[in-house]
Amino acid sequence: GAVVSQHPSRVICKSGTSVKIECRSLDFQATTMFWYRQFPKKSLMLMATSNEGSKATYEQGVEKDKFLINHASLTLSTLTVTSAHPEDSSFYICSATSGRYEQYFGPGTRLTVT
Amino acid sequence: GENVEQHPSTLSVQEGDSAVIKCTYSDSASNYFPWYKQELGKRPQLIIDIRSNVGEKKDQRIAVTLNKTAKHFSLHITETQPEDSAVYFCAASGGGGADGLTFGKGTHLIIQP
Repeated sequence: GAVVSQHPSRVICKSGTSVKIECRSLDFQATTMFWYRQFPKKSLMLMATSNEGSKATYEQGVEKDKFLINHASLTLSTLTVTSAHPEDSSFYICSATSGRYEQYFGPGTRLTVT
Repeated sequence: GENVEQHPSTLSVQEGDSAVIKCTYSDSASNYFPWYKQELGKRPQLIIDIRSNVGEKKDQRIAVTLNKTAKHFSLHITETQPEDSAVYFCAASGGGGADGLTFGKGTHLIIQP
């Protein structure tokens, strides 16, 4: 149980375009979903917290207009990287929780902006 | 906000020996402390976690200790095996499912055969 999927697993896009990443909880209802970013050989950094039906809460330094988060249902959250630039190239990982302590991580999405 | 410091950044031990990784946190309100193992290009895998109402937790070769007064917690791996080689992250949060995790910078554990 407690499986989280992400799609796509890898994406390459051109600078200036937008990319949408989906995060789904497959066998439980996720009251809260989180988005993290991980640069090569670095740690995971929390970008934002999203609750179903409400606006996401962004961490300091994360541009909410650049990283659009939609948590439309209890099983789906999406992250859209708008006007992507090479410095946005990173590993984006979502996690989900049903309200308990443990977070269940998705497999991650490798974004490369050329 | 929370700040988590993790040491060492790299740890090399002989197969069969023990490995210890230490973390400190800054926010006394944090009450959930998980440890993750991450292999290259993969998602973090929870290996053990501890809540603030417990001082120690053990699961086979892995144990975690927590000192709330000193705000530090440690991961202990005994009888290390080659498959234990990976990057390990500690993290802290307010828990209860509402708070995101603040991660340490990671420890690259290398098990020498």
